[in-house]
Amino acid sequence: AQKVTQAQTEISVVEKEDVTLDCVYETRDTTYYLFWYKQPPSGELVFLIRRNSFDEQNEISGRYSWNFQKSTSSFNFTITASQVVDSAVYFCALSDLSGSARQLTFGSGTQLTVLP
Amino acid sequence: SQTIHQWPATLVQPVGSPLSLECTVEGTSNPNLYWYRQAAGRGLQLLFYSVGIGQISSEVPQNLSASRPQDRQFILSSKKLLLSDSGFYLCAWSLDRVSEQYFGPGTRLTVT
Repeated sequence: AQKVTQAQTEISVVEKEDVTLDCVYETRDTTYYLFWYKQPPSGELVFLIRRNSFDEQNEISGRYSWNFQKSTSSFNFTITASQVVDSAVYFCALSDLSGSARQLTFGSGTQLTVLP
Repeated sequence: SQTIHQWPATLVQPVGSPLSLECTVEGTSNPNLYWYRQAAGRGLQLLFYSVGIGQISSEVPQNLSASRPQDRQFILSSKKLLLSDSGFYLCAWSLDRVSEQYFGPGTRLTVT
């Protein structure tokens, strides 16, 4: 069975600080996909990144970077030089090829608050 | 480019009343479609998904139902709402079973 754990319920940082959001996953499949979504106060989930299990290269997109480590089943997300607009709930999600359901298994989310 | 629409944005309904939420996708063909509910406390729960017209899979038994009358239209319904149906309902689409899902703006439902 799939499981995604985001142990950090809430994080608060001051603007310009770096912040890392943790994500640990469980799956029995060797082929799977990991995702990060951002949910600002407006409510709409915004897709940030998709990573497949065979690509362990870290990715950087502007101030965002992702660290995928299969050895520890983690897919952590770092925001560099955080800004107030980064305040949102961030979800990590997992999709594998097992079972009949075609779904994402979401973590419980991390509420990030960036203070000015 | 693809866009996904949901309406209404907010809805207040009395217990026992019917429900119909609509979701439409533009700019793609034969998408996978999904309905999620997000209760207070953030957890996202998959309710239904569809891989084609008339094909609906239910993930959680409840008093809700879904239909897909057209390729890019997904409807969430209830004949009689319960208080526990209150929440934030999100529709999403994806190209296939392994692609990322793109979400609509959501409908905030309050059952009174």
